[in-house]
Amino acid sequence: TQLLEQSPQFLSIQEGENLTVYCNSSSVFSSLQWYRQEPGEGPVLLVTVVTGGEVKKLKRLTFQFGDARKDSSLHITAAQPGDTGLYLCAGGGWTASKLTFGTGTRLQVTL
Amino acid sequence: GAVVSQHPSWVICKSGTSVKIECRSLDFQATTMFWYRQFPKQSLMLMATSNEGSKATYEQGVEKDKFLINHASLTLSTLTVTSAHPEDSSFYICSARRPGTGTDTQYFGPGTRLTVL
Repeated sequence: TQLLEQSPQFLSIQEGENLTVYCNSSSVFSSLQWYRQEPGEGPVLLVTVVTGGEVKKLKRLTFQFGDARKDSSLHITAAQPGDTGLYLCAGGGWTASKLTFGTGTRLQVTL
Repeated sequence: GAVVSQHPSWVICKSGTSVKIECRSLDFQATTMFWYRQFPKQSLMLMATSNEGSKATYEQGVEKDKFLINHASLTLSTLTVTSAHPEDSSFYICSARRPGTGTDTQYFGPGTRLTVL
């Protein structure tokens, strides 16, 4: 069974601080997606990374896919209250189209 | 865009009744859709993979006779929770894989909250 462990599980920070969320596995994935989910809603895709070592920047968010395609990180610069939510990483399989979801990181950004 | 809708957004039913949840891809055709279940403050748990025109593939531990999935067209998959009981109360989310993207990226619906009394 493929497992994706996220850390930390919960993070409460103040507006303006930086943070990094980690997504680790012993399995190799074909791709890695990051989603953000708000209460009572479905996850919203933030990014897909497909190449080992790939780094993608979206405004204040920086995503990295590990060289070995087993891990990923999400770095947020100058967090804002609007960044509050559940962050989920998800790894793509090699033979099936289904995703393996991470354990989730709940982020709370306060004023 | 890649928009996926779900209906209803919430439903309350009595124990023993059946509930049908619809998942539609609005601006693309999805040969593959997925059904997830999410408990409070937890991650998503894949229940089954729904393939257009064929039987769904269920994950281990998911009762296929209880959670009936039908993928009758390229834009619609339905999940029917049969003889629902309070322990079936949960947040059910569907997703669709957009073909031609070359990755396993999935686009999610807004979810359906089921409460069984």
